[in-house]
Amino acid sequence: DTGVSQNPRHKITKRGQNVTFRCDPISEHNRLYWYRQTLGQGPEFLTYFQNEAQLEKSRLLSDRFSAERPKGSFSTLEIQRTEQGDSAMYLCASSSFYFGPGTRLTVL
Amino acid sequence: AQRVTQPEKLLSVFKGAPVELKCNYSYSGSPELFWYVQYSRQRLQLLLRHISRESIKGFTADLNKGETSFHLKKPFAQEEDSAMYYCALGSSGGSYIPTFGRGTSLIVHP
Repeated sequence: DTGVSQNPRHKITKRGQNVTFRCDPISEHNRLYWYRQTLGQGPEFLTYFQNEAQLEKSRLLSDRFSAERPKGSFSTLEIQRTEQGDSAMYLCASSSFYFGPGTRLTVL
Repeated sequence: AQRVTQPEKLLSVFKGAPVELKCNYSYSGSPELFWYVQYSRQRLQLLLRHISRESIKGFTADLNKGETSFHLKKPFAQEEDSAMYYCALGSSGGSYIPTFGRGTSLIVHP
């Protein structure tokens, strides 16, 4: 499969724990985006990378959220001290248009 | 600020009927508009973009700058068109930050 992959697909965690998600984009794509999607809403932009540089971050992205793309290939999104309001689907997109399957986070 | 409005959460039609999914946008610059589709248990995928002016799976969308709209149309709906449809606005310039609408669920009855 040469599409965008995300791991894990599902994550259940307790409030206060840290979680990390991974996105592997399409290999030749320079841009990588992270979105959050809650029930009944469209994807909301969180941040994006051009190669390894993080160029934009949404005001939605609190200081508990951090994203990296160390070698300009895969990316990770970490949420520290999770809260119940963080429960959502986290989507990654490669070059704007190619979405991964998402990671569904449930914070208990 | 850029905003995308999809006024209908749900659109229900019968097979063979015409379909129009509405999308209005607010943006001060030159907009790039897209429609994405998400079939049940599948990932979000790009359906069409206004600059390509093509028809995909029988769907078309015309950018109307005067009405700030980008409605998605299909003359004869098929059952396999049942899905969530999202309109998205891409900002022009150096930073491309897409804004999505909340989506419209299209159900096509047999």
